[in-house]
Amino acid sequence: DAGVIQSPRHEVTEMGQEVTLRCKPISGHDYLFWYRQTMMRGLELLIYFNNNVPIDDSGMPEDRFSAKMPNASFSTLKIQPSEPRDSAVYFCASRSQDYTEAFFGQGTRLTVV
Amino acid sequence: AQKVTQAQTEISVVEKEDVTLDCVYETRDTTYYLFWYKQPPSGELVFLIRRNSFDEQNEISGRYSWNFQKSTSSFNFTITASQVVDSAVYFCALSEVTGANSKLTFGKGITLSVRP
Repeated sequence: DAGVIQSPRHEVTEMGQEVTLRCKPISGHDYLFWYRQTMMRGLELLIYFNNNVPIDDSGMPEDRFSAKMPNASFSTLKIQPSEPRDSAVYFCASRSQDYTEAFFGQGTRLTVV
Repeated sequence: AQKVTQAQTEISVVEKEDVTLDCVYETRDTTYYLFWYKQPPSGELVFLIRRNSFDEQNEISGRYSWNFQKSTSSFNFTITASQVVDSAVYFCALSEVTGANSKLTFGKGITLSVRP
């Protein structure tokens, strides 16, 4: 398997624009996580899914953020409208069971100017 | 609520020194899993080890060793004879196991710099 695949790797956008980050988890993995990494806050869990169902979205910072998982092989994280403080590296991760390690994608570095 | 605390933020050592990275966790569950990850300067997150709450045996893998103590809710990571390539950010993480709920929570990470 190619591992967790995220796209794009880098995104630069202007404030107010919509941004969509994409993730393809490892095939057969039941759990998918979205994290945001910043210097100040470290790795924050935004939301996670189990079998395509959102289980906990308490980490989503505000209504501008939304995430979907329409099927087992694809998830999106959308920010609308984007703001400069959303600039961060966004990671997607998947795991097969609740006791196994999570495998991370390469991350998307988002810059909002 | 589960929580992971990595009180050390930055550590700097000289090559060949031993270094211990601390991790303290909080959970109400009796069944849980602890992890360590490494994030080198290239940015990817690399899994290092997993430990379940029922296995308190220490583990050694080459220059790496892990000490799990439930009595103090700690899961510390020691690198023996550190090398420059060990320079990275190290994260400790906790996963509770409660039905379908399996949040994976990370500490803020420890930046380790190993100087030649």
